[in-house]
Amino acid sequence: GESVGLHLPTLSVQEGDNSIINCAYSNSASDYFIWYKQESGKGPQFIIDIRSNMDKRQGQRVTVLLNKTVKHLSLQIAATQPGDSAVYFCAENMGSNYQLIWGAGTKLIIKP
Amino acid sequence: GAVVSQHPSRVICKSGTSVKIECRSLDFQATTMFWYRQFPKQSLMLMATSNEGSKATYEQGVEKDKFLINHASLTLSTLTVTSAHPEDSSFYICSAREQGAQPQHFGDGTRLSIL
Repeated sequence: GESVGLHLPTLSVQEGDNSIINCAYSNSASDYFIWYKQESGKGPQFIIDIRSNMDKRQGQRVTVLLNKTVKHLSLQIAATQPGDSAVYFCAENMGSNYQLIWGAGTKLIIKP
Repeated sequence: GAVVSQHPSRVICKSGTSVKIECRSLDFQATTMFWYRQFPKQSLMLMATSNEGSKATYEQGVEKDKFLINHASLTLSTLTVTSAHPEDSSFYICSAREQGAQPQHFGDGTRLSIL
């Protein structure tokens, strides 16, 4: 069968609208979560992080929400701009080894 | 702050060549660096964790003799792909983490193409 990884989930958003990118994480013991943005041909760029003792954290035009009950993480981007076009990855970490467990990624497309 | 520089950005070479990729933390000391491989339209796959002054820890299925890692200083780790073959063609990315701190900061990757 076809690998899920060959087709990134895609989110198309009108320029100026808000974007919400969702992520289901795997380990209920994870205590640190990060969102990265990866543009084509580049490495991941840190956007925002949140620890498990928080439900919400805001940055510039971005908000991360954490729902530990259902192991769900979301990234909200306000007033989406063409420069926000990229693949967005969530990642989780547990404990002190600092290794990240990566989500599959979501490709964000901005419609003019 | 927290800039990670990776060099070279692109390599094209013949099969059998060994290729060295450098990862430098420019404005912080990185006790731990990570090496990833990424296939098109997929997530990052951790290859190994590199700790300064000690042997790297490789993930299952990653050949340590094929992918040599050296982390000789707090600002530099290198990945050498030995006797590279076409199946080693990929996008290799490093990241670095300051001691006791999160998150990992990433370099811009190296596109390796083996002919």
